Amino acid sequence: DTGVSQNPRHKITKRGQNVTFRCDPISEHNRLYWYRQTLGQGPEFLTYFQNEAQLEKSRLLSDRFSAERPKGSFSTLEIQRTEQGDSAMYLCASRSGFSSYNEQFFGPGTRLTVL
Amino acid sequence: TQLLEQSPQFLSIQEGENLTVYCNSSSVFSSLQWYRQEPGEGPVLLVTVVTGGEVKKLKRLTFQFGDARKDSSLHITAAQPGDTGLYLCAGGYPDFGNEKLTFGTGTRLTIIP
Repeated sequence: DTGVSQNPRHKITKRGQNVTFRCDPISEHNRLYWYRQTLGQGPEFLTYFQNEAQLEKSRLLSDRFSAERPKGSFSTLEIQRTEQGDSAMYLCASRSGFSSYNEQFFGPGTRLTVL
Repeated sequence: TQLLEQSPQFLSIQEGENLTVYCNSSSVFSSLQWYRQEPGEGPVLLVTVVTGGEVKKLKRLTFQFGDARKDSSLHITAAQPGDTGLYLCAGGYPDFGNEKLTFGTGTRLTIIP
């Protein structure tokens, strides 16, 4: 399968714990995006990378959130000191920099539940 | 903040009927995507439209981009139970560097066999 993959698919944690999610984009895609989706809403943009450079961050990305893409391939999203409001689906998407259009391809998501 | 409104929010129709869902913004899109999302899964890209007035067809699905590139519609002919899902439109805005997608809240479609 050559699509975007995300791990884990589900994560249940207690409030105050740290969690880390991984995203593996489509191999030739140099742009990688993180979104968050809560129940009944469309995805909301969090941040994006071009290769290893993090070029934009949403105001939704508080200081407890950090994202990395150290070698310009896979990316990780870490949430420190989780809160119940962090419960959501975290989606990763990627696209080719050669595409003129913003066609982003999404992974299956990581469903986070904070108890 | 760019707002992208979708209507209706919920739609439940019988198999074989036709339907149209709408996506509207007050701002001009540089491009617009339609996605379908199943419960517990990520959105799957259906189509991208970029030119005002453009019409694209994907089997029984017809996508139209408004002339002013501020709105779009998705028409499904002879709906089937397999069309059930959450339909999301997402736009890129040139004033915002075109990188992030702004999503609507979606239309949740249920096709009753």
